[in-house]
Amino acid sequence: AQSVAQPEDQVNVAEGNPLTVKCTYSVSGNPYLFWYVQYPNRGLQFLLKYITGDNLVKGSYGFEAEFNKSQTSFHLKKPSALVSDSALYFCAVRDSKGGYQKVTFGIGTKLQVIP
Amino acid sequence: NAGVTQTPKFQVLKTGQSMTLQCAQDMNHNSMYWYRQDPGMGLRLIYYSASEGTTDKGEVPNGYNVSRLNKREFSLRLESAAPSQTSVYFCASMSGVEVVNEQFFGPGTRLTVL
Repeated sequence: AQSVAQPEDQVNVAEGNPLTVKCTYSVSGNPYLFWYVQYPNRGLQFLLKYITGDNLVKGSYGFEAEFNKSQTSFHLKKPSALVSDSALYFCAVRDSKGGYQKVTFGIGTKLQVIP
Repeated sequence: NAGVTQTPKFQVLKTGQSMTLQCAQDMNHNSMYWYRQDPGMGLRLIYYSASEGTTDKGEVPNGYNVSRLNKREFSLRLESAAPSQTSVYFCASMSGVEVVNEQFFGPGTRLTVL
């Protein structure tokens, strides 16, 4: 069975500082990994994905994520946080051996960027 | 291009009442999904439809039914609502079957069951 863990309920970072939101996963095949962001009272929006290739993936709004196969991690990063980045972030995984595109989401990490 | 739309945005039901949540997408996507979002539990898959004419159970299907009316529309029905179904419901769609694509989400329906 596939699973995703987001170990931090909340991450606080000062504006202008780098941010990291952590994600680890478990799959039986190869992982397809996603990050989504949810602003208050909105649906989820896609940020970036890893399928294969370069371990560093760049996405929307200056976000990037690093895939680490040995640590089974896919941490979301941004070099300089903005107050407008404050939102709920979800990591998600799909197993390459999954037969029906089932995607498993983590419980979410609330990012608070402090002015 | 409206993307994924959901109706209604808010709904309050009494225990035992029924209702249908509507979802439509205009992106010609094959796959559609219904999730519920609860605090501390993330998103949990209720039902999905890999293509028009097919539906399958997800992680938490009890108490729900779905209909893939056509390629655009995927509805979720609560036959006899219970307080445990108080949640925010999201519909999502995704293109393709073999390729790995991201999901597009609707704005959600906030449902309260009293």
